[in-house]
Amino acid sequence: ETGVTQTPRHLVMGMTNKKSLKCEQHLGHNAMYWYKQSAKKPLELMFVYNFKEQTENNSVPSRFSPECPNSSHLFLHLHTLQPEDSALYLCASSQVQASESTDTQYFGPGTRLTVL
Amino acid sequence: AQSVTQLGSHVSVSEGALVLLRCNYSSSVPPYLFWYVQYPNQGLQLLLKYTSAATLVKGINGFEAEFKKSETSFHLTKPSAHMSDAAEYFCAVSGLEDGGSQGNLIFGKGTKLSVKP
Repeated sequence: ETGVTQTPRHLVMGMTNKKSLKCEQHLGHNAMYWYKQSAKKPLELMFVYNFKEQTENNSVPSRFSPECPNSSHLFLHLHTLQPEDSALYLCASSQVQASESTDTQYFGPGTRLTVL
Repeated sequence: AQSVTQLGSHVSVSEGALVLLRCNYSSSVPPYLFWYVQYPNQGLQLLLKYTSAATLVKGINGFEAEFKKSETSFHLTKPSAHMSDAAEYFCAVSGLEDGGSQGNLIFGKGTKLSVKP
């Protein structure tokens, strides 16, 4: 138990569906992240939120839409996905210090997404 | 740009044998280095991290890693493997390179460790 929870743990959706992934952190952190983990590929950082403001968007297709309503919650809204979007989606949080880059990221268990 | 290379996508050892998982990094600034472990159907868990203090870092579950600047390496070791060590291990680097974002991690592709009885 890392203090980061994700729901649902498994999700199967068709290409025309709209769904959302939810992440919640109970660690009092000020930064949250979405990663995509596909087979045989490194973890890909998708989005970063520092103090609820999106600071990074690594060229993610617009069919993925993040939302960070407060520093404890992070959503990933999905619509018109493709089969190649099937992957494990991991959420993480950290406490970003003002001048340090050593903050440890704590990961949730992930949502296993299958797009049919 | 920062990068991480993990040599060997799959390593197999016998129970009780030495575990050695290799990680080399590239960074134009002093790096911060991490090892994470991922058990099946779970997220990533931090094993240890290097933050420019001692070059030999001890982590959880008996693992340790040594930062060698001259070799740009941060290999993970454990003297005696246990069946419960079977998992996938990820090396990651972080650092404020030009254009980089604070706190962002760059991960290697991972090494899957199998432990034979």
